[in-house]
Amino acid sequence: DAEITQSPRHKITETGRQVTLACHQTWNHNNMFWYRQDLGHGLRLIHYSYGVQDTNKGEVSDGYSVSRSNTEDLPLTLESAASSQTSVYFCASSPLAGGAYNEQFFGPGTRLTVL
Amino acid sequence: GNSVTQMEGPVTLSEEAFLTINCTYTATGYPSLFWYVQYPGEGLQLLLKATKADDKGSNKGFEATYRKETTSFHLEKGSVQVSDSAVYFCALSDDKIIFGKGTRLHILP
Repeated sequence: DAEITQSPRHKITETGRQVTLACHQTWNHNNMFWYRQDLGHGLRLIHYSYGVQDTNKGEVSDGYSVSRSNTEDLPLTLESAASSQTSVYFCASSPLAGGAYNEQFFGPGTRLTVL
Repeated sequence: GNSVTQMEGPVTLSEEAFLTINCTYTATGYPSLFWYVQYPGEGLQLLLKATKADDKGSNKGFEATYRKETTSFHLEKGSVQVSDSAVYFCALSDDKIIFGKGTRLHILP
């Protein structure tokens, strides 16, 4: 069955370290998204991609970067981890932008703690 | 810009009670509307959706009707179960998906 996976599921790191969170989907979806979920803020969009070599900033992109070298993967990198980036991170994908077919499919999440 | 406002929780109900979670939206175009559900320790999953005015989305006993005149998409269920305990997110989409902040629902046996 097609799916979307994230790794690691839990990560503890130290302030200032570079961290990369992996996201892999097997639906062959064009669109992929990274969100963070924090109490009181719901889901906030970090970065998104509408296809290979395409990346765009979301509402909370500072301190994060992504790259899209193939359809299946969109890794999220924290360049220099900060305690404010302690959160639960969700990756999602969808087949098409806009219209009625833009349901997003979510991964299980990565809980990141920055000490 | 586009936005979604949903009632704050937590909402606590007894099993078999009637559920309403309010959701209103602001949008310049004609977005699709969604309800997502997040069970403990999991990612979000689509519960139901509606793509145009007066459409009713339904799934697992939950319903929501796309009301353009009141810009609303309230989630309802006639008789909730303990297994419905989760966080519910209202969302709209024209280009990207915009989520509400979520409503935590507790169902007591």
